[in-house]
Formats: sequence, structure tokens, C-alpha cells
Amino acid sequence: NAGVTQTPKFQVLKTGQSMTLQCAQDMNHNSMYWYRQDPGMGLRLIYYSASEGTTDKGEVPNGYNVSRLNKREFSLRLESAAPSQTSVYFCASSELGRGNQPQHFGDGTRLSIL
Amino acid sequence: RKEVEQDPGPFNVPEGATVAFNCTYSNSASQSFFWYRQDCRKEPKLLMSVYSSGNEDGRFTAQLNRASQYISLLIRDSKLSDSATYLCVVNTGGSYIPTFGRGTSLIVHP
Repeated sequence: NAGVTQTPKFQVLKTGQSMTLQCAQDMNHNSMYWYRQDPGMGLRLIYYSASEGTTDKGEVPNGYNVSRLNKREFSLRLESAAPSQTSVYFCASSELGRGNQPQHFGDGTRLSIL
Repeated sequence: RKEVEQDPGPFNVPEGATVAFNCTYSNSASQSFFWYRQDCRKEPKLLMSVYSSGNEDGRFTAQLNRASQYISLLIRDSKLSDSATYLCVVNTGGSYIPTFGRGTSLIVHP
């Protein structure tokens, strides 16, 4: 009963390096999301994908790109990492837009950029 | 005014106490409501949905007041393990983007 799986769990990068955070869900959800959470800031939406083949910017998209690879997978890419992107990143999925359905979260990627 | 507002707390209560949190929302078109629990630096986990008629799950009771635009979460007989941050989430019907409150911190002490 995996739900939402994120990889890696932890990562340390140097400024300017690139990397891709992976997310996969096995609940057949149409919508997927990437959030970041910083101390005292709450969850902030980076990008979301309402359905396969679509992606849209959230509240804090600068410095990130996303790919909805298929219905199951939604990846987040940092092209040139900056210290300000040090954060905990959560992926989520849901059937929002189709009634009273909540989001389900992965257990996060803890990213440090030096 | 923020779309979803919560008192950040912390609420410090002894074991066995009853504690209640409120969450106000500004969009009258909001249709679905949830409470999540988040432990320190871990992922938010769905605690319960909030239905118009109110609903209960063990020691937890959630209620919705549409007239005053708030939802509440009541925890009875608090346990040490209830210590966490409780997030209120509101969704407008047809929207793909839920709105999260900043959370209310609960600390249950012996």
C-alpha cells in the first residue's frame, strides 16, 4: 500500500548543481502537486498538474520545472540549485476537482544546498 | 485577509484535557474541508474530512459552520501522542488547488 512515493529522501547539493526529485503515486489519481515547506512558512505550492498532460504554476514556481511523465509520475527539477531552495519538498496527489477528495502526501525530500 | 486562518498556538494542555481549534475561511464558495495532522518535519496526514452535519472519529470531532465560515476540531482526552501541528484545508468546488492554513501547534504534557 505505497500511496505516494518520493525519491530521494535526502540530498545535499552544491550551488549551481541540478537535480530531479521524483514522485510516483499508485492511487490512480488525476491531480499531482509539488510543495515546499520552510520553517514558519507553511506549505507553498510550486507547481501542479491537474491531469496527465497539463502542468501549471503555483505560488512559488521560480527556479523549478516539472514534468508529468504519465498519470503516475510527476517530477520536479532544479536546473541550477540555489541556497534559497534549501527546504523540505512534498509531493501530493488527489482527485480534487471531482468532489470532496483530500490530498495524499509523500514523506518528503529533504534538500540542502550549500 | 488570508483565505484560511488558524491560531498558530502553541496550545499547551495536560494529558486528558479537551482542546478545540478553529479555522476561518474567507471564500463563501468553499465546498470541502479537511483537518490534517503534521508531525515535526514529516508529511501532512489526513486526520478527517469535515462534513456539513459534523462528524466524529473516536476522540476527534469536526464541525462546520457555514454561516460564520469556520470549521473546528475538538480533541477529547488528549494524549501525549496528539502533540503535533493541525492543518486546516479548504477547497473550492471545481478547483484543483486546496488552500492550507498555517497550522495550529498542540503540545500535550504529562
